[in-house]
Amino acid sequence: DVKVTQSSRYLVKRTGEKVFLECVQDMDHENMFWYRQDPGLGLRLIYFSYDVKMKEKGDIPEGYSVSREKKERFSLILESASTNQTSMYLCASSSWMGYTFGSGTRLTVV
Amino acid sequence: ELKVEQNPLFLSMQEGKNYTIYCNYSTTSDRLYWYRQDPGKSLESLFVLLSNGAVKQEGRLMASLDTKARLSTLHITAAVHDLSATYFCAVDMEYGNKLVFGAGTILRVKS
Repeated sequence: DVKVTQSSRYLVKRTGEKVFLECVQDMDHENMFWYRQDPGLGLRLIYFSYDVKMKEKGDIPEGYSVSREKKERFSLILESASTNQTSMYLCASSSWMGYTFGSGTRLTVV
Repeated sequence: ELKVEQNPLFLSMQEGKNYTIYCNYSTTSDRLYWYRQDPGKSLESLFVLLSNGAVKQEGRLMASLDTKARLSTLHITAAVHDLSATYFCAVDMEYGNKLVFGAGTILRVKS
């Protein structure tokens, strides 16, 4: 069964901490995405990557960065977490056939 | 820039009733998806619509696509409590290269 795996389901971090959200896919997909989900706003694209070491800003990249050192792994980094980054984060990968989503990480910044 | 507008954002229905969720998008696209999300869970793909006039049905849900009007609908027939969830439409701009979501419709079916 093909999968997109996010390393944590729930995280609680303190303001100012550096936070890493990890995502791994086993489908050999070229494309990977990080979305943020907030009530009433749907899923908004933070960053995406079409290849190893490649990254592109999405619609809301401020306060985030990403890393893609290997094809199967796409990491989202919060350099200095703030309370307004409390949210659900969803990772996805895709090919021309479609998209597969991870189970999500609910991040709370206190 | 592609915009996807979904309405209503919240829908409270009685069991047995019919209703429709609408999804409008601003530019041409390759595919349109409908997803279901249960609380605390990830997204479950319901339908993928590829071409103008496409209609797909699964149980009490039917999705259609009008590419000329840039409109997709998700029709719910004889709602049951198990359909309570959040439903998203999403437009695929370039066959797997970028997915833009609507805000989602929270559906509550009351018995």
